[in-house]
Amino acid sequence: GAVVSQHPSRVICKSGTSVKIECRSLDFQATTMFWYRQFPKQSLMLMATSNEGSKATYEQGVEKDKFLINHASLTLSTLTVTSAHPEDSSFYICSATIGGVNEQYFGPGTRLTVT
Amino acid sequence: AQTVTQSQPEMSVQEAETVTLSCTYDTSESNYYLFWYKQPPSRQMILVIRQEAYKQQNATENRFSVNFQKAAKSFSLKISDSQLGDTAMYFCAFMKPEYGNKLVFGAGTILRVKS
Repeated sequence: GAVVSQHPSRVICKSGTSVKIECRSLDFQATTMFWYRQFPKQSLMLMATSNEGSKATYEQGVEKDKFLINHASLTLSTLTVTSAHPEDSSFYICSATIGGVNEQYFGPGTRLTVT
Repeated sequence: AQTVTQSQPEMSVQEAETVTLSCTYDTSESNYYLFWYKQPPSRQMILVIRQEAYKQQNATENRFSVNFQKAAKSFSLKISDSQLGDTAMYFCAFMKPEYGNKLVFGAGTILRVKS
C-alpha cells in the first residue's frame, strides 16, 4: 500500500517551453503532497508543500511563478515548470502523506532536461 | 530550526561485514520522528527504518538497526551482513508532525558495498 506515482519519469524540453509533472497517490488519499528538487549526489531540497484545494506553500528562495503547483484532488498534484531554462534541469521528486500517519511516501522521481 | 548532520560523505564496506552510518540532529523539541531513507541508483527513495522519539527502544528492521541516543541527539544506522544491494545513498531525516509532516534531510552518505 501507499504507492505514489510520477509521470513522466523522464522529459526533455526546449528552453522557453513549459513542462508539467504529475504526482498521484494510487491507493490512498493524500492530505498533503510535497515537491522536492535533487541535484546529483546531493540531498533533497524541499520546494513546496501543497494541500488539496488550497494554494501551495513555497520554501524560501523558490519562485512561485516559475514552479506552479496545483493540487486539484486528494490523489493528484502537478508541478509545472514555466519558461524552462537549462538551469532548471534536475531530478524532481514528489511525496505524499496520509492523515494521522507520520511518514512521507515518495514517488519514483522525474528527470527533467532542458536543452 | 531543526538541522540534521551526516558527517560521512562516503563510506565503503566489504560484503558480509557491518557498517555504521552516523547522524546527529539539533532540536529543542521532545516529540518527533527520525528516519533513515535509502536511495539506490534508481533514485527511488526507500524507507529503511523509523524511530519515534518517545520510544526508548531502538528500532530494528532485519539487518538494519539504529542506535538512538536522545540526550546526545544522535541517530546512527547499523547495517549488518552488508549486501551488494545495500549500495546506495543513505539519508537521515527529522520530522515534527506539528510542522506539517515536513522532513528535514541530512546531506546524505554514499555507501558502497564491495565484493
